[in-house]
Amino acid sequence: EVQLVESGGGVVQPGGSLRLSCAASGFTFDDYAMHWVRQVPGKGLEWVSLINKNGGGIYYGESVKGRFTISRDNSKNSLYLEMNSLKTEDTALYYCTRDKMGSYEYWGQGTLVTVSS
Amino acid sequence: DAVMTQSPLSLPVTLGQPASISCRSSQSLVHSNGNTYLNWFHQRPGQSPRRLIYEVSKRDSGVPDRFSGSGSGTDFTLKISRVEAEDVGMYYCMQGSHWPYTFGQGTNLEIK
Repeated sequence: EVQLVESGGGVVQPGGSLRLSCAASGFTFDDYAMHWVRQVPGKGLEWVSLINKNGGGIYYGESVKGRFTISRDNSKNSLYLEMNSLKTEDTALYYCTRDKMGSYEYWGQGTLVTVSS
Repeated sequence: DAVMTQSPLSLPVTLGQPASISCRSSQSLVHSNGNTYLNWFHQRPGQSPRRLIYEVSKRDSGVPDRFSGSGSGTDFTLKISRVEAEDVGMYYCMQGSHWPYTFGQGTNLEIK
């Protein structure tokens, strides 16, 4: 069974940092590109970042470019999102998703990031 | 970026009646490989999104056959033949044909 389990969310002050993790299981992790997608509570879905299978291709949404860093450790079946210079508008539920053929077949349960003073 | 526009944004439906959600893209979603990567997701309150439909009309395993997807190019539709109580929640279309992937604003289906 495919499982994606996010962790690392919490409350942080504006300007602060946080590192999210996503533990993957039930599939061959290094066969898939992985994404982070976020959702402001009660609002829609926003793509955040993508990393390809071997980490050689990385992309960011304009709203997080220069502040967030995506990475993966295929030996640990794990995906990460390092978030710096956090803003109140980064407050959201962050989901880890698996990419297959232009789609998100599997989603984690999400981890909540709250940026507030 | 491909802008995805859903309508309606709110959809009150009587149990047992059909429902339809439209999703329009600002550009053709035909990928260079000839496929069209248009997806539909359902999100119940407090839950993660669940994929219902991929590549316009392919239903995911376990998705009831009352759900169907159709369309081509820039215009797509999700239809529910007979709405059941468990169908309430938000529905999102998402395109994966062009980078970056983009979502529609969401349609809130509720029972009248």
